[in-house]
Amino acid sequence: QVQLMQSGGQVKEPGASVKISCKSSGYTFTNSYVHWVRQAPGQALEWIGIFNPTGGSTGVARNFQGRVTMTGDTPTRTVYIELNSLTSEDTALYFCARHQGYIDYWGQGTLITVSS
Amino acid sequence: DIELTQSPSTLSASVGDRVTITCRASESIISWLAWYQQKPGKPPKLLLYKASILETGVSSRFSGSGSGTEFTLTINSLQPDDFATYYCQHYKSEPYSFGQGTRLDIK
Repeated sequence: QVQLMQSGGQVKEPGASVKISCKSSGYTFTNSYVHWVRQAPGQALEWIGIFNPTGGSTGVARNFQGRVTMTGDTPTRTVYIELNSLTSEDTALYFCARHQGYIDYWGQGTLITVSS
Repeated sequence: DIELTQSPSTLSASVGDRVTITCRASESIISWLAWYQQKPGKPPKLLLYKASILETGVSSRFSGSGSGTEFTLTINSLQPDDFATYYCQHYKSEPYSFGQGTRLDIK
């Protein structure tokens, strides 16, 4: 069955960077783009961007342009997102998710806490 | 960028009720809309895609309709497990934005 397994939660200081991994299984990795979505405490879902494992092209929401890098490693079927210059407003649950046009499968989420 | 506006933001209802949630797009998204259900601390669950197609395994009490800029999610005969937050998302073009969510509470 399709699974997306994310790395564990992290605590970061303001100004630092964070990198989250998302390991896929149960489907052909190169056949589906991967979304990144986040949710701040008590807030709505926020779309960050999308990664194409074939070729590595990306699309990033305006709010994150210049601060987000999405990469992938086909042999390990893993996609990564790195977010730089963290502030307290980046404290959130970060999800990866499989793209089928819509999103059909989600990772379990990775809690990133930004605090000094 | 396409914006999605859901209404209401909060909805109180009782077990057995029928409820409707609306999602309006700032421009036509044809039928490229999905609906998700989310419970606290969990990832969203896909309910419907292409505005009205029920995802496999989702109860037929859930239905969706609409095209262009106005869409609705209807839940018939509310069950205790249905009390959650519901989101719409378009997938017409990047950025694939979400609505702000509708929290469905028990009355």
